[in-house]
Amino acid sequence: GAVVSQHPSWVICKSGTSVKIECRSLDFQATTMFWYRQFPKQSLMLMATSNEGSKATYEQGVEKDKFLINHASLTLSTLTVTSAHPEDSSFYICSAFRARNSPLHFGNGTRLTVT
Amino acid sequence: SQQGEEDPQALSIQEGENATMNCSYKTSINNLQWYRQNSGRGLVHLILIRSNEREKHSGRLRVTLDTSKKSSSLLITASRAADTASYFCATDSKTSYDKVIFGPGTSLSVIP
Repeated sequence: GAVVSQHPSWVICKSGTSVKIECRSLDFQATTMFWYRQFPKQSLMLMATSNEGSKATYEQGVEKDKFLINHASLTLSTLTVTSAHPEDSSFYICSAFRARNSPLHFGNGTRLTVT
Repeated sequence: SQQGEEDPQALSIQEGENATMNCSYKTSINNLQWYRQNSGRGLVHLILIRSNEREKHSGRLRVTLDTSKKSSSLLITASRAADTASYFCATDSKTSYDKVIFGPGTSLSVIP
C-alpha cells in the first residue's frame, strides 16, 4: 500500500534556529502534498498545499516566509520552520494523495519543540 | 479554515457498546472521509464515501452520508478498548478541489 514517510519524528531546537521536516511518498508519485499543523487535543489545520515544480499555496494566516515549503521532486516535499519560536512548537503532519478522489496518506508526524 | 464540525467532542463507552459520531460540513463536497488518530501519531484512513453514496460499510464500521443535511455519521459496532482514539471527518470541496479540511474530531474512550 501507499506509504508516506516523514522525518524527523521529533525535534527539539533553540529559539531562532531553523528546522527542516521532510515528507516522502515511498511507493507513489505525489504531485501534491499537504502540510497540517495540530495543537494538543485539537484537529488538523491545513497550513499549505505543496505543488511539485511550483510555489506552494498557503492558507490564510500562515506566514509563507516563516514556513518555507519546497516540493522539489514527485516524491519529496520539505517544510522549513525558519527562525523558530516557542509558539511554533506543535505537531506537524504531511499527507499526499495517490490520486484525486482517493484517501489521503499521512506521515507519522513531527513533534517540534522550540525552547 | 475548518469546514467540518463533529459531535460529540468526547465520548466514553463500555467495551462491547456501539459508538456513534456525527459530522457536519458547510459546502458542497466530492467525498467525505473518516480518519482515526492514536495519540501523538499520524492519521489512519478508515472510510471514504462519495457524494453520490449514502452508506458504506467496512468491518465494524458503518458510515452514512446525507448530502441534503450536509452531515455524516460514523458507527463503530461492538467497540473494543483498542478503538480508543480520536476520530476525524474530512471533506474536500467542490470549489477548492484539492484541499481536504478536517473537522474538530471526537475523542473516543472505550472502557474495558
